[in-house]
Amino acid sequence: GIQVEQSPPDLILQEGANSTLRCNFSDSVNNLQWFHQNPWGQLINLFYIPSGTKQNGRLSATTVATERYSLLYISSSQTTDSGVYFCAVVCPAGGTSYGKLTFGQGTILTVHP
Amino acid sequence: EAGVAQSPRYKIIEKRQSVAFWCNPISGHATLYWYQQILGQGPKLLIQFQNNGVVDDSQLPKDRFSAERLKGVDSTLKIQPAKLEDSAVYLCASSLPGGLAGVETQYFGPGTRLLVL
Repeated sequence: GIQVEQSPPDLILQEGANSTLRCNFSDSVNNLQWFHQNPWGQLINLFYIPSGTKQNGRLSATTVATERYSLLYISSSQTTDSGVYFCAVVCPAGGTSYGKLTFGQGTILTVHP
Repeated sequence: EAGVAQSPRYKIIEKRQSVAFWCNPISGHATLYWYQQILGQGPKLLIQFQNNGVVDDSQLPKDRFSAERLKGVDSTLKIQPAKLEDSAVYLCASSLPGGLAGVETQYFGPGTRLLVL
């Protein structure tokens, strides 16, 4: 099935710093979502972005589907940004991963005041 | 708009006991998913329903896990008997039915944390 790799695995920032999280995937996809899992375990949708660029406040994401990667940018980080960031993808027709949202291992972000 | 609801939020049981989790999806969402998230890992799909029919249960351990969605709305996931390795967070998600499988945004509930002793 499709492989999803996220980097870095851990990231520690001071409040106000910027960061870039990366997601590499091993096959073409027709769905890519970025999630934030807060310390209480809730998975919150950040972006649905199988291709292109989107921005939402201090967050933005870019997916280059032809090169099989996506980037999540966090600017002016705040302590409330702490948690785990997951990238998840769905493959188009064919293969064992078809139709399934396959998650990466996540990036653990800690923002200190 | 109300989100995906799950209960209970926490459950502690002993191995070999049975447990059930409940999920109510977002109104109008025909597709419902159950995921298992083991500590330190990303969620893994257990089963996917479209209305009350199973679309994919290839990763569901059918010897001990079962799930149903009888009226195409609420769903129940059951484990019987539980093992120590079933300790995890069980997440329910829902989405609108896309023309192509998996292209719709999935929205997750708060999850049920299960600890098997």
